[in-house]
Amino acid sequence: QSALTQPPSASGSPGQSVTISCTGTSSDVGGYNYVSWYQHHPGKAPKLVIYEVSKRPSGVPDRFSGSKSGNTASLTVSGLQAEDEADYYCGSYAGSNKGVFGGGTKLTVL
Amino acid sequence: QVQLVESGGALVKSGGSLRLSCAASGFTFSDYYMSWIRQAPGKGLEWVSYLSTSGDAIYYTDSVKGRFTISRDNTKNSLYLQMNSLRAEDSAVYYCGRVQVGSTVDYWGQGTLVTVSS
Repeated sequence: QSALTQPPSASGSPGQSVTISCTGTSSDVGGYNYVSWYQHHPGKAPKLVIYEVSKRPSGVPDRFSGSKSGNTASLTVSGLQAEDEADYYCGSYAGSNKGVFGGGTKLTVL
Repeated sequence: QVQLVESGGALVKSGGSLRLSCAASGFTFSDYYMSWIRQAPGKGLEWVSYLSTSGDAIYYTDSVKGRFTISRDNTKNSLYLQMNSLRAEDSAVYYCGRVQVGSTVDYWGQGTLVTVSS
């Protein structure tokens, strides 16, 4: 199963909004409402920030939102803060008990 | 609170073996599917394997089939990954993760580093 496609980098100034895309196929992103997003500060445990396309786990700020259109999912971080600078990965269910991740996007807060 | 703590990572020679462990706490371990996910240097995340609550292996990525074995001990709240015939391309940080519906990993450990020298 090929990895989902994410842009390698994204950036924004404090207070701005940034959107990260995650493109798959009809066999994964487009076929199921099981897209998740993970925030990863290097050296720390990855953290789930969005699941089932647009749901936020308890404790995740509402500045984080998710959506999906066709085979592409998106993570939007609004009101950027310095602590949002991290690597972000998308993941999707791919059927037949398989999951797949994206290659990751490095978000820089300018 | 949910905690997952991996151990067992090391520097090993190509063809060697290693056993990773993941100690879970803060939740009823036996109620959840569990997984191993890895990240090679400079690369993205990759599912390695995951298994059911009863210990049936559900998934192995193709490159580790026949070499890696995932298991769990619900009495010890622990997850394991036995890695044999290690290759340079298995070098990565290995994360333990709790799996929810739809391959969502809602909690992760901090990872343990495996380096395979050729």
